[in-house]
Amino acid sequence: DTEVTQTPKHLVMGMTNKKSLKCEQHMGHRAMYWYKQKAKKPPELMFVYSYEKLSINESVPSRFSPECPNSSLLNLHLHALQPEDSALYLCASSQDFAGYQPQHFGDGTRLSIL
Amino acid sequence: ILNVEQSPQSLHVQEGDSTNFTCSFPSSNFYALHWYRWETAKSPEALFVMTLNGDEKKKGRISATLNTKEGYSYLYIKGSQPEDSATYLCAFGGYQKVTFGTGTKLQVIP
Repeated sequence: DTEVTQTPKHLVMGMTNKKSLKCEQHMGHRAMYWYKQKAKKPPELMFVYSYEKLSINESVPSRFSPECPNSSLLNLHLHALQPEDSALYLCASSQDFAGYQPQHFGDGTRLSIL
Repeated sequence: ILNVEQSPQSLHVQEGDSTNFTCSFPSSNFYALHWYRWETAKSPEALFVMTLNGDEKKKGRISATLNTKEGYSYLYIKGSQPEDSATYLCAFGGYQKVTFGTGTKLQVIP
């Protein structure tokens, strides 16, 4: 069982819809991450939160809006997405925001944009 | 753009064979090298994090080595089993960010 829980597992939405992806961890980790992964490509970092503050935004389009309501929760709000945004979205957490910390991943949300 | 490369892209081995794959990365601004195993329909699982040149880590039949001066790491699997079938990702750990390689997809044939 993964210690990082992502919901939903699958999401199909139209380009005009608004939806949210959720991620939860109870390991006391202070850093949380969103990655986007397209087929046959490595996971690409989108956002990093450290101590509930946004530390990195990798020039992600504004149609993706992250939110960290508390140290255990991470949301990704989606609005007016494009078909090319169809991908697997992975959430991860680590003890601290440091390159030597192993990351713990959720199972991902498979997103399809119609 | 950070270049983290893995080879081969995919690999088929017979059950019982030993195998290894390579991760190459920049030798500057290095903090750590991560290896993850990613089975289909599951989440990536951390195998090792190595920080020092010459580091060697072992977990059961899987081991890894690190050469930070020349910028490469090897992952070895001894006596491959069907349950080892997965994509193996390496990741370069900088000061804060981690950059993933494209992975090596291993298929172990019973």
